Amino acid sequence: AQTVTQSQPEMSVQEAETVTLSCTYDTSESDYYLFWYKQPPSRQMILVIRQEAYKQQNATENRFSVNFQKAAKSFSLKISDSQLGDAAMYFCAYRSVIQGAQKLVFGQGTRLTINP
Amino acid sequence: DAGVIQSPRHEVTEMGQEVTLRCKPISGHNSLFWYRQTMMRGLELLIYFNNNVPIDDSGMPEDRFSAKMPNASFSTLKIQPSEPRDSAVYFCASSLRSGGTYEQYFGPGTRLTVT
Repeated sequence: AQTVTQSQPEMSVQEAETVTLSCTYDTSESDYYLFWYKQPPSRQMILVIRQEAYKQQNATENRFSVNFQKAAKSFSLKISDSQLGDAAMYFCAYRSVIQGAQKLVFGQGTRLTINP
Repeated sequence: DAGVIQSPRHEVTEMGQEVTLRCKPISGHNSLFWYRQTMMRGLELLIYFNNNVPIDDSGMPEDRFSAKMPNASFSTLKIQPSEPRDSAVYFCASSLRSGGTYEQYFGPGTRLTVT
């Protein structure tokens, strides 16, 4: 079974600075998808960014980018120019490409605080 | 698009009572997922459906939990009888099962408190 580990329960950063959230995963599959979800206090789960394992290029969405290291099974999220609205829980998630295995496997989350 | 709709948003009930949570997926989506979020266990899948058919229910805790999807636009998660340890936030998510990343869109969740 796949597992996802987020080793940083909490992180904080000054507004306008850059922060990196770590995520590692374990799988025997060669193709899969990885995601970062944001959960603000409203508890709504919001997709931040996705990465297909077969793509070598790291995904980028505006101020959010990932560092995907497939051999190391590492998938970190970098937030540039942090804003107060970025404060939330961030969850890393894995999904298989195998038919009938579409569930998301989540890490335990990292609580990100933005200091003004 | 209205997004995934869940009701109720909050539910408080007494131990032993039946609880029914409801979900309306995004129109056109044919996969539906029920997740539970607790402090102890984090986010975990309970069950998911493809084209209204249950595919993986290995996360359903025990016989007290049941889920149905009678049609493409509605699903229920029922707990009978409820227990205090069932207190959690229950999320419904849907996706379009076709080529691509099968991105899952989440509803706002139902916060269940069992006293």
